[in-house]
Amino acid sequence: GESVGLHLPTLSVQEGDNSIINCAYSNSASDYFIWYKQESGKGPQFIIDIRSNMDKRQGQRVTVLLNKTVKHLSLQIAATQPGDSAVYFCAENIRTADGLTFGKGTHLIIQP
Amino acid sequence: NAGVMQNPRHLVRRRGQEARLRCSPMKGHSHVYWYRQLPEEGLKFMVYLQKENIIDESGMPKERFSAEFPKEGPSILRIQQVVRGDSAAYFCASSRQGGIYEQYFGPGTRLTVT
Repeated sequence: GESVGLHLPTLSVQEGDNSIINCAYSNSASDYFIWYKQESGKGPQFIIDIRSNMDKRQGQRVTVLLNKTVKHLSLQIAATQPGDSAVYFCAENIRTADGLTFGKGTHLIIQP
Repeated sequence: NAGVMQNPRHLVRRRGQEARLRCSPMKGHSHVYWYRQLPEEGLKFMVYLQKENIIDESGMPKERFSAEFPKEGPSILRIQQVVRGDSAAYFCASSRQGGIYEQYFGPGTRLTVT
């Protein structure tokens, strides 16, 4: 089955609020994680990554948290904007594999 | 700095025909990955190539699918005798190095088999 999965298929938030998108993974051999944003009709766009030796990493308006104890990954988006509306995928890289393993995605909907 | 280029963006083929999808990696990147995405699903890894070498094709269907990355020119994903189930978006990604490094994706080729 899927090594990486997401808790919610759709997340609706008010514009200006913070968004939290969650991801669970099952393979303890995973050592690198990436969040991608995919807008309709486009390819995945790299947002932020984190390696397994870290717990937290921050970018511009985004923060990724990694909890290896419970195999959980989250993406926090601060002050959500209409342009943030997209499907968000977490992906993992297992040391012994070459390709990324993707979850099914969470569709983030921004309410005005 | 141009990103990953893919062409064509849309491809329509009849059952039994061949489909050729092209991918040019980002400048400075020598590692190419192909993924397939079915509607409403995540991407599935197909194959990983370096110049003139297939490194990992564990995600490729055993028949009808092949990939190459020649010394000169783009990487090619070839699907022979297409069937309706091959209809999907095919994405190419490239990275500066293999292993645990970020992969940057192209816009994809949307294949429709009629």
